[in-house]
Amino acid sequence: DGGITQSPKYLFRKEGQNVTLSCEQNLNHDAMYWYRQDPGQGLRLIYYSQIVNDFQKGDIAEGYSVSREKKESFPLTVTSAQKNPTAFYLCASTAGGEAYNEQFFGPGTRLTVL
Amino acid sequence: GQNIDQPTEMTATEGAIVQINCTYQTSGFNGLFWYQQHAGEAPTFLSYNVLDGLEEKGRFSSFLSRSKGYSYLLLKELQMKDSASYLCAVIDSNYQLIWGAGTKLIIKP
Repeated sequence: DGGITQSPKYLFRKEGQNVTLSCEQNLNHDAMYWYRQDPGQGLRLIYYSQIVNDFQKGDIAEGYSVSREKKESFPLTVTSAQKNPTAFYLCASTAGGEAYNEQFFGPGTRLTVL
Repeated sequence: GQNIDQPTEMTATEGAIVQINCTYQTSGFNGLFWYQQHAGEAPTFLSYNVLDGLEEKGRFSSFLSRSKGYSYLLLKELQMKDSASYLCAVIDSNYQLIWGAGTKLIIKP
């Protein structure tokens, strides 16, 4: 079955530690995205990538980093520079990079920084 | 600034009809999405509107009025499994996707 996987579903880290969230897709989609979801707010775009070895900052990229070495993988690192990292993180992909393409989402990772 | 407004929470009864509104003020408009998100899960696509009018898809319909900056999602014959958050998202003039905070729909028996 094609889809997007994110692991782990729940992640706990101590303040000051970097943590990497995994996102893998087998949909053969070109574009991938990372969003952050906080209670009472819309999804906010962290980073996106429309092609391998290329990515762009979204609205809230500070304190985050990504890589896109393979088409199917788009890991997100939450660094110690991110002031308020506790949130629900969603990875998504689209067949093309155009905004009107349906986004397919992974199940999300809930990160809690203690 | 860009803004998308949706009611925070709505309650409806099983078997009834509910309309979830979304109003937007964005720099341009190139389409509007509705997604469904069950608690703690991934959003899933419901509909996409780019022209004015009503799009019907089974129990769910989505309406768009570009002149009024307004859309609604209509859910008929409500079932308990429809309890979820419903997210409205607009594509602006820069082809960026702007997300609303979502409407939490509670279905009561």
